Amino acid sequence: DARVTQTPRDKVTEMGQEVTMRCQPILGHNTVFWYRQTMKQGLELLAYFRNRAPLDDSGMPKDRFSAEMPDATLATLKIQPSEPRDSAVYFCASAPSGGQGVSYEQYFGPGTRLTVT
Amino acid sequence: TQLLEQSPQFLSIQEGENLTVYCNSSSVFSSLQWYRQEPGEGPVLLVTVVTGGEVKKLKRLTFQFGDARKDSSLHITAAQPGDTGLYLCAGVQGGKLIFGQGTELSVKP
Repeated sequence: DARVTQTPRDKVTEMGQEVTMRCQPILGHNTVFWYRQTMKQGLELLAYFRNRAPLDDSGMPKDRFSAEMPDATLATLKIQPSEPRDSAVYFCASAPSGGQGVSYEQYFGPGTRLTVT
Repeated sequence: TQLLEQSPQFLSIQEGENLTVYCNSSSVFSSLQWYRQEPGEGPVLLVTVVTGGEVKKLKRLTFQFGDARKDSSLHITAAQPGDTGLYLCAGVQGGKLIFGQGTELSVKP
């Protein structure tokens, strides 16, 4: 049963600290997305990659957030320095190639619940 | 302002009742998806509708895409407690998946 995995599942940190979230996409999926979910804003796309290359990161605050795919089995989202307003659930999703832009089928991981105090 | 407006935001019903959730926009989408999310988990894709006027059925769930491809509805027949969750619609536009705020459904036994 292929699944997207995310670590850690929960993270509590103090303001100013660096936070790194990791995602292992489903094997064979070449598109990886990072989303953030809050009660106020709902589910927002932060960035996405295709074949490890960043295609769109317009939803991501550039000054403190960075997303990378060191290899096909690992995607990372880093926040440095973290702020209380970054508290949210961060989801990674992967998709098989679906032509241009977004594939029709995205498979979400269980999320990382981040709390910044 | 949300590109995709879902209504109602919250819905609490008794087991066995029918319900309809709506997803509306002033924009046209090339396709629209419905997801269900349970607490502590990520959204799970239920269906994708692509053609205006398209109707898809998934057991007790019926999904419809509006003729103009600007809106969609999800109808659940004889709701069960297992249907409880957050239902999200998402539209593909400009190469991105745009999500609605969701409808929180609670089905009481």
